[in-house]
Amino acid sequence: QLQLQESGPGLVKPSETLSLTCTVSGGSISSSSYYWGWIRQPPGKGLEWIGTVYYSGSTYYNPSLKSRVTIYEDTSKNQFSLHLRSVTAADTAVYYCARDSVTRFDYWGLGTLVTVSS
Amino acid sequence: EIVLTQSPGTLSLSPGERATLSCRASQSVSSSYLAWYQQKPGQAPRLLIFAASTRATGIPDRFSGSGSGTDFTLTISRLEPEDFAVYYCQQYGSSPRIFTFGPGTKVDIK
Repeated sequence: QLQLQESGPGLVKPSETLSLTCTVSGGSISSSSYYWGWIRQPPGKGLEWIGTVYYSGSTYYNPSLKSRVTIYEDTSKNQFSLHLRSVTAADTAVYYCARDSVTRFDYWGLGTLVTVSS
Repeated sequence: EIVLTQSPGTLSLSPGERATLSCRASQSVSSSYLAWYQQKPGQAPRLLIFAASTRATGIPDRFSGSGSGTDFTLTISRLEPEDFAVYYCQQYGSSPRIFTFGPGTKVDIK
């Protein structure tokens, strides 16, 4: 059974970089059949796709976040990571990692709350 | 950029009733690229339907999806207590590769 687990700091200061890692078990992120993505949800609000990485290293980002986001993979650890630069309070959200099966997200992590505050 | 609109914002129904949720796109969306998710409080979203009408693994057959073009529908034939949740539609765009979610419909107990 595929499982995804987010990890990283729960508190980030404004203007700093938010960094999260997703560890995948029960499957390989090196599979050519899938992409691996990040989605976030501000408290009480809806879902926002952040971006996706493919095993080849290709990345795809939400245009509204593209200038601040980097997603990369570490196949040796079966992990992929999110860096979001220059954060503000508006970046406070639950961050989910998920398997991107090309047109939808079929496996999700439990999510991790990241608060941006000094 | 395609914008998804969901209606109603909140649907108040009783267990056993039929729920009909709408997702409307600002431009035509391929049926292959439309998905629905269920989210309960404190939980991650769960994939219900993909390709507009295909149930994901383990999803009960009381959930069904339909539609094409700009209008899509998620129907829950008879609401069970565990179905009261928020439902999101999502579309995939292939060029450029992008995902967009609708704002969600909350189904709550009347």
